[in-house]
Amino acid sequence: AQSVTQLGSHVSVSEGALVLLRCNYSSSVPPYLFWYVQYPNQGLQLLLKYTSAATLVKGINGFEAEFKKSETSFHLTKPSAHMSDAAEYFCAVSAVGYQKVTFGIGTKLQVIP
Amino acid sequence: NAGVTQTPKFQVLKTGQSMTLQCAQDMNHNSMYWYRQDPGMGLRLIYYSASEGTTDKGEVPNGYNVSRLNKREFSLRLESAAPSQTSVYFCASSEREDGYTFGSGTRLTVV
Repeated sequence: AQSVTQLGSHVSVSEGALVLLRCNYSSSVPPYLFWYVQYPNQGLQLLLKYTSAATLVKGINGFEAEFKKSETSFHLTKPSAHMSDAAEYFCAVSAVGYQKVTFGIGTKLQVIP
Repeated sequence: NAGVTQTPKFQVLKTGQSMTLQCAQDMNHNSMYWYRQDPGMGLRLIYYSASEGTTDKGEVPNGYNVSRLNKREFSLRLESAAPSQTSVYFCASSEREDGYTFGSGTRLTVV
């Protein structure tokens, strides 16, 4: 069984401030972890993924995430928020060798000018 | 490349009507999926197809059927639509653990 918990359904940051979106996972086997972004009225787009290589993963648009096995976390960060980062972000988990992905409920990021 | 194409983009149905949502991908992916997205509930898996010729139930399969027509196409059918099926439906495809490629979604309203 696998699951994902995203802490905070809404997060607000000022433009230029650090973005931190939290994700904790549960998996009975080594996980693959993903972050997706969804802009209004669009499908989800893959931001980055962890597949058991480097624990610090860099993605598109300046985002990165760090896999911490001891904390079962995969938090998403960006040093400086931009207005264009306003969107909904989904953390997701799948198990090694198992393609079905389980999604979190999402975190809506608001960027304040 | 078009990626994953879903049709239609919008649909309004009356309770009890049937319809088929179409999905096609041009990336030669083996696996395809149907999810529904509802506010506050994230994405929930309806059905998936790990490879051509196979389909399996996901988390919320009741009221739906699927057909993996060939490697490219994976359709979702609502035989008798209910208001509880009002949602945004996403099709996705993937190859191994590369992550999903999503379509742009179908907004379905059942009245």
